[in-house]
Amino acid sequence: AQTVTQSQPEMSVQEAETVTLSCTYDTSESNYYLFWYKQPPSRQMILVIRQEAYKQQNATENRFSVNFQKAAKSFSLKISDSQLGDTAMYFCAFMTPWGRDDKIIFGKGTRLHILP
Amino acid sequence: KAGVTQTPRYLIKTRGQQVTLSCSPISGHRSVSWYQQTPGQGLQFLFEYFSETQRNKGNFPGRFSGRQFSNSRSEMNVSTLELGDSALYLCASSLVGPLSGGLPGELFFGEGSRLTVL
Repeated sequence: AQTVTQSQPEMSVQEAETVTLSCTYDTSESNYYLFWYKQPPSRQMILVIRQEAYKQQNATENRFSVNFQKAAKSFSLKISDSQLGDTAMYFCAFMTPWGRDDKIIFGKGTRLHILP
Repeated sequence: KAGVTQTPRYLIKTRGQQVTLSCSPISGHRSVSWYQQTPGQGLQFLFEYFSETQRNKGNFPGRFSGRQFSNSRSEMNVSTLELGDSALYLCASSLVGPLSGGLPGELFFGEGSRLTVL
């Protein structure tokens, strides 16, 4: 069974700093998808970034980027120039491709505080 | 386009009662999945429905059940409530499958239904 582990329950950084959230996963699959979802306080969860395992290039979305290490089964999220609006719970998630098992497995989350 | 709508947003029940939560997906989305969020366990998958059929189920007791209607709206029911069922219940919809478009894992979440069991 696949598992997703986020080893940092809570983090705090100063505004404008760069922060990295860690995520490791365990799977025997060779093809899969990894995600970071963001849940702001009292607001809806939204997709931040997605990575296909067959792509070697790390995904980037504006200030958000990932460091995907397939052999190490590591998928960290880097937030550059952090902003107050980045304060949220961040969930790392894993999914196998279409037709295999469409459920997404989430880690327990990292609560990130951006301090002014 | 309207987002995912969950009702009710907040509710308080007592042990032994039952509760029904509702989720209206984004128009055109045929997959609806449910998650239980608690501080200790994070997000745990409950079940997923696609075209009125339950396709996947998480490791929850039979007290947790759900269904999906022909218009893709979904409900989940928890019977014989226990204190440990207190949680935020999230619903998410998605376009699922290569023939229906969308990218894998692109879930659109509702704001959740916060259940407190006393």
